[in-house]
Amino acid sequence: GAVVSQHPSWVICKSGTSVKIECRSLDFQATTMFWYRQFPKQSLMLMATSNEGSKATYEQGVEKDKFLINHASLTLSTLTVTSAHPEDSSFYICSARETGTGQGYTFGSGTRLTVV
Amino acid sequence: AQKITQTQPGMFVQEKEAVTLDCTYDTSDQSYGLFWYKQPSSGEMIFLIYQGSYDEQNATEGRYSLNFQKARKSANLVISASQLGDSAMYFCAMREPYSGNTPLVFGKGTRLSVIA
Repeated sequence: GAVVSQHPSWVICKSGTSVKIECRSLDFQATTMFWYRQFPKQSLMLMATSNEGSKATYEQGVEKDKFLINHASLTLSTLTVTSAHPEDSSFYICSARETGTGQGYTFGSGTRLTVV
Repeated sequence: AQKITQTQPGMFVQEKEAVTLDCTYDTSDQSYGLFWYKQPSSGEMIFLIYQGSYDEQNATEGRYSLNFQKARKSANLVISASQLGDSAMYFCAMREPYSGNTPLVFGKGTRLSVIA
């Protein structure tokens, strides 16, 4: 089945630094990737939708200059958290749907970001 | 307005018993899809079952079945013969409209605990 590989699984960084999270579709082309954020004991909240070769669409309240999304190829989308602060500590997870193969959305395994 | 409502923050069930997790949704579209995902403590999102708005029969996948009542806009998940490994967070999600690459919108989730 469709697989989305997400790296890193967890990362600890210092305040003010930037962190890049990668999501790669291994055996299908993901023209669209969805990025979610999940705070502890809460639901998944959509942050942005990235489309290959074009600018990402951000949800209301999500700072596009802080959460940079790049979707330069059909198999790779990246989320960069710039100038991270402790309040950015969260679980970030990506998702894509393999077009034409069914209804299921494939999720990456998630990245647990801790900013100290 | 909330698109997906899960009113049960937590549920307990005895091993080998059946349990129903509630989900109601709000949409004005005729074409939509409903999903259930399981999220264990590791964070990964595991696809369980899907129901399309035009599907006349309730979806079933092994021990999982979806009780779809369109007029009431409910899509409850039924897990039969609960196992200890079923202990996890369960999220109901919707995709609307059922075309193109639209993201999933999630409910707040229900934490299921299976007791031996």
